[in-house]
Amino acid sequence: DAGVIQSPRHEVTEMGQEVTLRCKPISGHNSLFWYRQTMMRGLELLIYFNNNVPIDDSGMPEDRFSAKMPNASFSTLKIQPSEPRDSAVYFCASSFRAGYNTGELFFGEGSRLTVL
Amino acid sequence: AQKVTQAQTEISVVEKEDVTLDCVYETRDTTYYLFWYKQPPSGELVFLIRRNSFDEQNEISGRYSWNFQKSTSSFNFTITASQVVDSAVYFCALSRSDYKLSFGAGTTVTVRA
Repeated sequence: DAGVIQSPRHEVTEMGQEVTLRCKPISGHNSLFWYRQTMMRGLELLIYFNNNVPIDDSGMPEDRFSAKMPNASFSTLKIQPSEPRDSAVYFCASSFRAGYNTGELFFGEGSRLTVL
Repeated sequence: AQKVTQAQTEISVVEKEDVTLDCVYETRDTTYYLFWYKQPPSGELVFLIRRNSFDEQNEISGRYSWNFQKSTSSFNFTITASQVVDSAVYFCALSRSDYKLSFGAGTTVTVRA
């Protein structure tokens, strides 16, 4: 079975450019998470979707960040305009949530973003 | 507030040695979940184990074992007879019975041949 699929794996862009990261969760999973990993702050939850609906976006750094989940099999994380401090590895994860049980999170391989 | 502390930043061992990774957590919740994830050099995060707060039974899976002690708020992880393939960053994480995982800073394990 395919795991969580993220693209691109690596992205190098210049400050001010728009960046779009993509994620395909595991089929059948109803929860999707975007995490960011940096040396300074470790792993941080950016946003959580359940059944395609954003439940908690309190971790989204600022208005430059936006995330969408138009259907159960696709999500995007967009940064516009990008800044050097956005450089990080962005992970998408999915799980099957039943009631209050989040379930095991399956992570993608991450998208390494470098903003020059 | 929830907090996970992994006091060991780096551990280096020779192959076949045992290595224990410490994890101490803080939470006010009575129901919570604890996790360990492995991040090998390739970068992905690999799930290893999840325990809920009501199950303090220790667990063994092959060369991996976990010791959960609520009295000391610890969830330690031991790799027995370490191998080079065990070299990775290991994260301990805590979650309430909802969805947000709080990760520790991670412990880098290097196993030398």
